[in-house]
Amino acid sequence: EVQLVESGGGVIQPGGSLRLSCAASGFTVMTNYMYWVRQAPGQGLECVSVIYRDGATYYADSVKGRFTISRDNSKNTLYLQMNSLRAEDTAVYFCARDRRGITGSTDYYYFDYWGRGTLVTVSS
Amino acid sequence: DIQMTQSPSSLSASVGDRVTITCRASQRINTYLNWYHQKPGKAPNLLIYGASTLQSGVPSRFTGGGSGAVFTLTISSLQPEDFGTYYCQQSHSTPRTFGQGTRVEIK
Repeated sequence: EVQLVESGGGVIQPGGSLRLSCAASGFTVMTNYMYWVRQAPGQGLECVSVIYRDGATYYADSVKGRFTISRDNSKNTLYLQMNSLRAEDTAVYFCARDRRGITGSTDYYYFDYWGRGTLVTVSS
Repeated sequence: DIQMTQSPSSLSASVGDRVTITCRASQRINTYLNWYHQKPGKAPNLLIYGASTLQSGVPSRFTGGGSGAVFTLTISSLQPEDFGTYYCQQSHSTPRTFGQGTRVEIK
């Protein structure tokens, strides 16, 4: 059974750091595109970062230079190192698998499994 | 980045009603469009991918359509468990962007 379990959230002062973890089971993290998606209170969904199968990464402009996505293949775990945190980073952070599926002759990508999320609150 | 715009932002409908949500992309994205349903306090749940392919286990009252830049999600007969927020997402390019959401309330 595929499962994603986030941890590491909490209350942190502005300027502080946190590391989020996403432990995966039932599949291999390194063979998938893996995303961090966040949702501020009462707001919509924002893709924060992705790590591709080849290890390449992408960051939203809002977190570039402050957040770092990584994975530990031996632990089958995804991470998000968050530095220089700001009040506007307050959100529930989800990890999600970007699954590749084929319909007809076309490859599609979609987030088929999500974790339950971990809440990060940046406040003094 | 590709911008996704949903309409309406919210709606209220009765059980049994037919409900349609529209999603527009800022550029053509072929059929690289997904739909998700989120209930309060939960992670989003995939309903449809590739604009019209129903994810395994999703009830057949959900239908997706469209291609290019305009897409629709239709619930043929609204059920009590369908309340929550619906999001479209483009998977044409990185970053994977979402619409702002459509909140569905049951009258």
